Amino acid sequence: GNSVTQMEGPVTLSEEAFLTINCTYTATGYPSLFWYVQYPGEGLQLLLKATKADDKGSNKGFEATYRKETTSFHLEKGSVQVSDSAVYFCALSETSGSRLTFGEGTQLTVNP
Amino acid sequence: NAGVMQNPRHLVRRRGQEARLRCSPMKGHSHVYWYRQLPEEGLKFMVYLQKENIIDESGMPKERFSAEFPKEGPSILRIQQVVRGDSAAYFCASSPLSDPNTGELFFGEGSRLTVL
Repeated sequence: GNSVTQMEGPVTLSEEAFLTINCTYTATGYPSLFWYVQYPGEGLQLLLKATKADDKGSNKGFEATYRKETTSFHLEKGSVQVSDSAVYFCALSETSGSRLTFGEGTQLTVNP
Repeated sequence: NAGVMQNPRHLVRRRGQEARLRCSPMKGHSHVYWYRQLPEEGLKFMVYLQKENIIDESGMPKERFSAEFPKEGPSILRIQQVVRGDSAAYFCASSPLSDPNTGELFFGEGSRLTVL
């Protein structure tokens, strides 16, 4: 079946540091890939997505590129802020319906 | 446009009681998903419903759990005879009728169930 593996957390960075959160997936078809973010006490929000190979999703300074050859969708940001502190989930959608398969989540803490 | 509304936000039950969690999808959305987030874990799919139909319940435990999405009113996730292991955050998400295959889900803020 489909699965998503994220780098283990938690990740602690200083403000303005570079961020990478690794995500790899296993899928039988050609899934769409997503990053969702969960701020403390809130539900998940879509951060960015990519629907086919070599697509780059971007939003709020975050980027991720759909790499079919390495089955990866790593999240990057050049300069993190304290307000980026949250849990980040990588996910994929199967081709039928919108059911999402999530990774375990990576807790990011950004210190001033 | 109101987002996905879940209630209650927090629910405390004793072992053996019933828990009912409600979810009103975004206006115009007729696809509802329930996910469970156990402490220190990611979200696990439970069930996918459309109005009056269960489309995929492969993630639902075989016993004690049920879900519905009636023609009128919110979707309800029902847990009978709760046990401590049911303590978790239960998230509802919805997607629009017009394009259910985009994979973009809109999540509610979750209902946090604590079983004493």
